[in-house]
Amino acid sequence: SQTIHQWPATLVQPVGSPLSLECTVEGTSNPNLYWYRQAAGRGLQLLFYSVGIGQISSEVPQNLSASRPQDRQFILSSKKLLLSDSGFYLCAWSPLNTEAFFGQGTRLTVV
Amino acid sequence: AQTVTQSQPEMSVQEAETVTLSCTYDTSESNYYLFWYKQPPSRQMILVIRQEAYKQQNATENRFSVNFQKAAKSFSLKISDSQLGDTAMYFCALTQGGSEKLVFGKGMKLTVNP
Repeated sequence: SQTIHQWPATLVQPVGSPLSLECTVEGTSNPNLYWYRQAAGRGLQLLFYSVGIGQISSEVPQNLSASRPQDRQFILSSKKLLLSDSGFYLCAWSPLNTEAFFGQGTRLTVV
Repeated sequence: AQTVTQSQPEMSVQEAETVTLSCTYDTSESNYYLFWYKQPPSRQMILVIRQEAYKQQNATENRFSVNFQKAAKSFSLKISDSQLGDTAMYFCALTQGGSEKLVFGKGMKLTVNP
């Protein structure tokens, strides 16, 4: 069966520090991968999606970037965090453009 | 472009009653999928139900069913015999055939009262 791992679960980082959130999927190959951000009490904003290694589509121009160095690994990064980067980040995978399956999420607080 | 609209930000229902959550969407494609996700206080996103656009029959999953009105681009979720564990944020989502994007509505907070 397929599983998705996302870490860390909680992160507190100072303004201006770098960020790296990692997501890995097991039990499937060539999945579509997604990064979403959810502000407190609000909906999911699609940040990046990827259909293959090295293929990244950005939905919202911002302080973040994403990379997919391996088929089942998706990384969300920032060189210098802003206060506005605080939020709940969710990684997800999807087979063949259907429903998505989500990781546990990372609560990021930038202080 | 694909969009999903949930116009009710919050609802409450008494335990054991039935509640309907509304969702409208817009897409230019004829092949697409619609979903309802549940996000309890743990914040884990859980797939509740899915509907393929080419299927006329409304999807059902135990106490959860949808009313899919393709012409009206409406996709509502009915929860029967509401339980306390149904208290959560509910999100409607859409993905178009041939597109990798999965787009969500803003969500609706459902509270089931004892």
